[in-house]
Amino acid sequence: KAGVTQTPRYLIKTRGQQVTLSCSPISGHRSVSWYQQTPGQGLQFLFEYFSETQRNKGNFPGRFSGRQFSNSRSEMNVSTLELGDSALYLCASSVRTDLTTDTQYFGPGTRLTVL
Amino acid sequence: KQEVTQIPAALSVPEGENLVLNCSFTDSAIYNLQWFRQDPGKGLTSLLLIQSSQREQTSGRLNASLDKSSGRSTLYIAASQPGDSATYLCAVRTNTDKLIFGTGTRLQVFP
Repeated sequence: KAGVTQTPRYLIKTRGQQVTLSCSPISGHRSVSWYQQTPGQGLQFLFEYFSETQRNKGNFPGRFSGRQFSNSRSEMNVSTLELGDSALYLCASSVRTDLTTDTQYFGPGTRLTVL
Repeated sequence: KQEVTQIPAALSVPEGENLVLNCSFTDSAIYNLQWFRQDPGKGLTSLLLIQSSQREQTSGRLNASLDKSSGRSTLYIAASQPGDSATYLCAVRTNTDKLIFGTGTRLQVFP
């Protein structure tokens, strides 16, 4: 079974631009979560989508948004990029039938550099 | 607000040693606790998941325990190998259905 894939793997943008990252979950997984990882703040939860609906979100500004398609693939968009948005963006997928046993499977991440 | 802390932040040990990584959390209202491994510049690999009703889980040379009442978990690695070198992260799934990660322990096992 193929794992979680993320595209692109690396991205360089300049301040003020916007960016779209893509995540394809493991086949059969309906939940996709996004995380931001930086050396200073560690891993922080951005949001989760399940069956095309945002279920939960973390404490990030509205510049960060996402969506999920009917095939469970998800995209994350960051508008008006700031230097502090430079990070490794990870997505994770899960089956999500039982919260007590739900294991998240992570993709390799997209390394975003904002200049 | 749930906070997750890991001690130590970094650890360097010779091959063959048994070692313990620690994770503490402030709110015991959790669904589960997970341990992950992250290799440099890569995604996370799930190692073990302990449900809130469980006390421990084992997988090969790894054993994780959970004491929910005291807000603590430990990951025990037996007979460490250079291939175990990575950053180890614990994460709790809170009762608000968020996965909150710890700060990580960077492990180096030298031959």
